[in-house]
Amino acid sequence: NAGVTQTPKFRILKIGQSMTLQCTQDMNHNYMYWYRQDPGMGLKLIYYSVGAGITDKGEVPNGYNVSRSTTEDFPLRLELAAPSQTSVYFCASSFRGRDTGELFFGEGSRLTVL
Amino acid sequence: GESVGLHLPTLSVQEGDNSIINCAYSNSASDYFIWYKQESGKGPQFIIDIRSNMDKRQGQRVTVLLNKTVKHLSLQIAATQPGDSAVYFCAERGTSYGKLTFGQGTILTVHP
Repeated sequence: NAGVTQTPKFRILKIGQSMTLQCTQDMNHNYMYWYRQDPGMGLKLIYYSVGAGITDKGEVPNGYNVSRSTTEDFPLRLELAAPSQTSVYFCASSFRGRDTGELFFGEGSRLTVL
Repeated sequence: GESVGLHLPTLSVQEGDNSIINCAYSNSASDYFIWYKQESGKGPQFIIDIRSNMDKRQGQRVTVLLNKTVKHLSLQIAATQPGDSAVYFCAERGTSYGKLTFGQGTILTVHP
């Protein structure tokens, strides 16, 4: 049981490049989330999904896109990377988001845009 | 001591002391609160949670207190150990299913 797995762990992008951060969970959780964490700050919600085929914006969605074609996978797409997107990205999942608040987090993906 | 502005608040304690980490939350409609611990280079890990119909909940060496009147949450760690050194975040859940809003975090440093 691997939990929440994120890849890659580290990535350097040039301004204007695009990439996808992968996230997969093997806990059969229906809720999945993407957060970003800037240095010295808390986590801010980018996008979330309550089930396959359903996604919605969080607090800071601009510059990102997501899809949820399966229960297990929730990739985050960065189009036209900008220095402001330099951050650590965390994927998380939870089961029955209303009845329990515990989110299970991945180890994070550190992205630098130069 | 504590620092404000662009830096996270910090708390330094001696091993064996009790630690109290405070958090002010923003949404009076939030019904669920969680404390997470984040060690360097890792994702946040669940510590303890509390629902809005409670004012205190205890776990192993940890206690969470909730004061809805002033929208304040605290985490008490008993007999703090060097392994407790980390950044601690409180999070609240508002009316949207599952979504957590995280606070800024507090750096706890435990000196042997």
